[in-house]
Amino acid sequence: DTGVSQNPRHKITKRGQNVTFRCDPISEHNRLYWYRQTLGQGPEFLTYFQNEAQLEKSRLLSDRFSAERPKGSFSTLEIQRTEQGDSAMYLCASSVRDRINEKLFFGSGTQLSVL
Amino acid sequence: KQEVTQIPAALSVPEGENLVLNCSFTDSAIYNLQWFRQDPGKGLTSLLLIQSSQREQTSGRLNASLDKSSGRSTLYIAASQPGDSATYLCAVLNAGNMLTFGGGTRLMVKP
Repeated sequence: DTGVSQNPRHKITKRGQNVTFRCDPISEHNRLYWYRQTLGQGPEFLTYFQNEAQLEKSRLLSDRFSAERPKGSFSTLEIQRTEQGDSAMYLCASSVRDRINEKLFFGSGTQLSVL
Repeated sequence: KQEVTQIPAALSVPEGENLVLNCSFTDSAIYNLQWFRQDPGKGLTSLLLIQSSQREQTSGRLNASLDKSSGRSTLYIAASQPGDSATYLCAVLNAGNMLTFGGGTRLMVKP
């Protein structure tokens, strides 16, 4: 499968626990994005990597959130001390650098439920 | 700050109808505009991408138009089918390196 892969597909956790999600982008894509989507809403931008460098971070990304992309390949998104408001679908996307034609390919997402 | 709005929020039509989904954005300085499809509980599938210099793109029964100066795009679906039932999302890519999405239109095509 050459698409964007996200794991796990679903995560149920108790409030206050830490969770980590993984995203494996399409292999030749140097850009990687994290988005968050709540029910009935469009996805909201969280952060963006070009290779291993984290270039943009949304104000939605509080201190409890951290994202990494070591070696410019896969990426992880960690949420510490989860809150019920963190419940959402977390989507990862990747693309190649070509500003005009930049087309994002999305994974199937990780659905987080914080109890 | 870029804002994207989609109208209507939900739409229910009988099979075979032609339909139009609308998208508007506030900042016309965009690189491109994409239309996505999302099935319940799933990720997004890109349908069409229109560059800022283009006016429209077509793929099968889908046609998307872009009027950058007025900040509008439409997605036209011809001869709708029950399999077209999904949420359709419009998103614009601007200089901030982020794709800004609208809230989506939930489409139901009834057999």
